[in-house]
Amino acid sequence: GQQVMQIPQYQHVQEGEDFTTYCNSSTTLSNIQWYKQRPGGHPVFLIQLVKSGEVKKQKRLTFQFGEAKKNSSLHITATQTTDVGTYFCNSGGSNYKLTFGKGTLLTVNP
Amino acid sequence: DGGITQSPKYLFRKEGQNVTLSCEQNLNHDAMYWYRQDPGQGLRLIYYSQIVNDFQKGDIAEGYSVSREKKESFPLTVTSAQKNPTAFYLCASSIRDNSPLHFGNGTRLTVT
Repeated sequence: GQQVMQIPQYQHVQEGEDFTTYCNSSTTLSNIQWYKQRPGGHPVFLIQLVKSGEVKKQKRLTFQFGEAKKNSSLHITATQTTDVGTYFCNSGGSNYKLTFGKGTLLTVNP
Repeated sequence: DGGITQSPKYLFRKEGQNVTLSCEQNLNHDAMYWYRQDPGQGLRLIYYSQIVNDFQKGDIAEGYSVSREKKESFPLTVTSAQKNPTAFYLCASSIRDNSPLHFGNGTRLTVT
């Protein structure tokens, strides 16, 4: 799998504020997947982006894949306490070897 | 309901002992994976299997072994050669290459 860097590592926001996490690669990615892991839980698949420049929305979450397919972002509008958790990106590779970024831990102050 | 079952949820072992973590799936997925999670380290790939009777080393395979004798099962053995085995272990499966991963609830292993 291709290495990806996620930033920031931690983010603390007040409820209602927006939040963005970024996933960056030095090489072109075939696709990217985003997962959410609640505290004490396991990662849960959110979305997969495949096309250059692709934008997908899930309620308050907006996912983007860069034009060069080297970066991606997850943006949450008006965070809620239910958004707390760690968000991971996963670089799609070939031959099943999937590599995760280190994740961004989001905490929300009510 | 289809899913992935990992057992047990918590496991305690003495240093020097081998221990096997169970992972069973009834999703009819071909591919299965083992990841290790440590605080601040994200998810690191230990082993993966594309198909029955075949598996490959991931990024941190040293001190671990696996088998894939059945499509539904992918047990992970943490051997005494693993220098720092205490961690949260996650098993996952996917239907094909580059498709979404479905995770089990994980096994938290503590070795003292």
